[in-house]
Amino acid sequence: DIVMTQSPDSLAVSLGERATINCKSSQSVLYSSNNKNYLAWYQQKPGQPPKLLIYWASTRESGVPDRFSGSGSGTDFTLTISSLQAEDVAVYYCQQYYSTRGVTFGPGTKVDIK
Amino acid sequence: EVQLVESGGGLVKPGGSLRLSCAASGFTFSSYSMNWVRQAPGKGLEWVSSISSSSSYIYYADSVKGRFTISRDNAKNSLYLQMNSLRAEDTAVYYCAREGYSGSYYGYWGQGTLVTVSS
Repeated sequence: DIVMTQSPDSLAVSLGERATINCKSSQSVLYSSNNKNYLAWYQQKPGQPPKLLIYWASTRESGVPDRFSGSGSGTDFTLTISSLQAEDVAVYYCQQYYSTRGVTFGPGTKVDIK
Repeated sequence: EVQLVESGGGLVKPGGSLRLSCAASGFTFSSYSMNWVRQAPGKGLEWVSSISSSSSYIYYADSVKGRFTISRDNAKNSLYLQMNSLRAEDTAVYYCAREGYSGSYYGYWGQGTLVTVSS
């Protein structure tokens, strides 16, 4: 199985400041035949299902504010919130979907306001 | 508008069974692979099972293999999860999730149904 790790476990950022979340996979999720990274990011607020933010490591889902961006390749990825808003307080998860026999999620990173 | 509505959760004793359903609408259900993802109270997300559009490919997490069975009825736009030999560690909110058109990322989720396994 591909194991996903995230850092930090939690972070507190001032409103308007940048938040950066890291995600690492135990093996590469870059598929060489199409040069795509099989990596997604989700946001989950209390009492709600997860919401897809980013897929293919850097493609923003329709309707997601452009302050959210994804980057990275291979085994190391980053989700950046360029200017944190109050409504961004949530837990963020990365997910690999390279393995067709079972996706795996990272443990989550909790983002709060400082 | 895409909608996924889960039902069938509840309280069940260890060793018992439960069948979850997910009613889909707003898209061509028969064209998409579907998944179940669960979340134990206060914990992270755990993929449970997936089924391809025509039921040709079915996969399970090791933690549920041999106990859970995923199925779908494309005529009824419905996804199911038969859960047998339930354990306390199966206690979680179970979400139905639709895969993307081109990959196994989940663009649509239901609101979830809570399964509690306790004596």
